[in-house]
Amino acid sequence: DTGVSQDPRHKITKRGQNVTFRCDPISEHNRLYWYRQTLGQGPEFLTYFQNEAQLEKSRLLSDRFSAERPKGSFSTLEIQRTEQGDSAMYLCASSHRQGPYEQYFGPGTRLTVT
Amino acid sequence: EDQVTQSPEALRLQEGESSSLNCSYTVSGLRGLFWYRQDPGKGPEFLFTLYSAGEEKEKERLKATLTKKESFLHITAPKPEDSATYLCAVQASNSGGSNYKLTFGKGTLLTVNP
Repeated sequence: DTGVSQDPRHKITKRGQNVTFRCDPISEHNRLYWYRQTLGQGPEFLTYFQNEAQLEKSRLLSDRFSAERPKGSFSTLEIQRTEQGDSAMYLCASSHRQGPYEQYFGPGTRLTVT
Repeated sequence: EDQVTQSPEALRLQEGESSSLNCSYTVSGLRGLFWYRQDPGKGPEFLFTLYSAGEEKEKERLKATLTKKESFLHITAPKPEDSATYLCAVQASNSGGSNYKLTFGKGTLLTVNP
């Protein structure tokens, strides 16, 4: 039983560059979530997909951030014109459509903006 | 707005010294309360879901309990491998819109010395 996978695990980029992260959820899960975590904080919700539909976006998700989930399988999170404040761990999670509602997390992508 | 407060921020125990971690929450209708374990540089690992006051769940040396305002994670006779950050999160059953996002606390960093 494979878990949630994320790629890349680490990304170092220069300020102003665009970056894209990928998440592959657990195969039978149709709900997919993106979170961001900074040092000493718990994960903060960014956005949520049910199948291919993006149903909720946090106020944290500025217009430089965009997420997609074509065909309801893997998802991508793109950050345009990166800023130093974007440096964080980006976590992806997935869950079943019906209860129980626990979310299973991937290993995360550590982004460093220099 | 949903809020989760965890205490203490850090806890240092000797191997075999039992203790408890606290998670206080305010939420407009609780769908579920979740406990996760997070090792440095990794994604959160699911431990427990609690749905209603009075519910208890156990796994090895860990036991989670839930009241209407808080949850406790009891650690009995801990071992050094229990050292990690323990995160508490709530999922609200708000009316309308997506109600599956998790709101996390900042976590408790547990260190168990041999």
